[in-house]
Amino acid sequence: GAVVSQHPSWVICKSGTSVKIECRSLDFQATTMFWYRQFPKQSLMLMATSNEGSKATYEQGVEKDKFLINHASLTLSTLTVTSAHPEDSSFYICSARGGTVLNSPLHFGNGTRLTVT
Amino acid sequence: AQKITQTQPGMFVQEKEAVTLDCTYDTSDPSYGLFWYKQPSSGEMIFLIYQGSYDQQNATEGRYSLNFQKARKSANLVISASQLGDSAMYFCAMREPNFYGQNFVFGPGTRLSVLP
Repeated sequence: GAVVSQHPSWVICKSGTSVKIECRSLDFQATTMFWYRQFPKQSLMLMATSNEGSKATYEQGVEKDKFLINHASLTLSTLTVTSAHPEDSSFYICSARGGTVLNSPLHFGNGTRLTVT
Repeated sequence: AQKITQTQPGMFVQEKEAVTLDCTYDTSDPSYGLFWYKQPSSGEMIFLIYQGSYDQQNATEGRYSLNFQKARKSANLVISASQLGDSAMYFCAMREPNFYGQNFVFGPGTRLSVLP
């Protein structure tokens, strides 16, 4: 149980275009999802917390107008990288909590490798 | 301040031997959860094991066990009988109930290489 699906797994786009990444909880409802960015050989960096039906909460230093997050349903959150530039190339990974109790782990999607040329 | 510290950027272990990956954490909350995740080169994050701050016994999950020393604020992961497929990045993470959104804080990770 607690499967999170992320799509696409990789994408190459030209500088200036926008890219949308989808994150779905397949067998559970996720009122909260988290978006992370990971640079090579580094840990996960939280970008934003996505809340169903309300605005996302962005971490300090993350441009909300560049990384648009929409959480329109209990099973889907999307991250749109707008006007992508080569420095946006990275590994983006979403996650959702399996429950609200303390021992509920985060369940992750398989990540999206974004390359901006 | 760093909440999760993993002091070993890289570790090597011989196949079939045991290995310990270190993790220390910092929190003032008496209630918290500690998690270990494995990230293979393909990128997915795989949940391995959980330890609650009030748990009396060390967590075990197959070949994974957690050496939880609460007073020292350490939660080391022990992998027994290492296999080649254990080669991956390993992240220690903490969840605090009073942290907004009950989010997780991840350590910098340890890259484990299992040698044949």
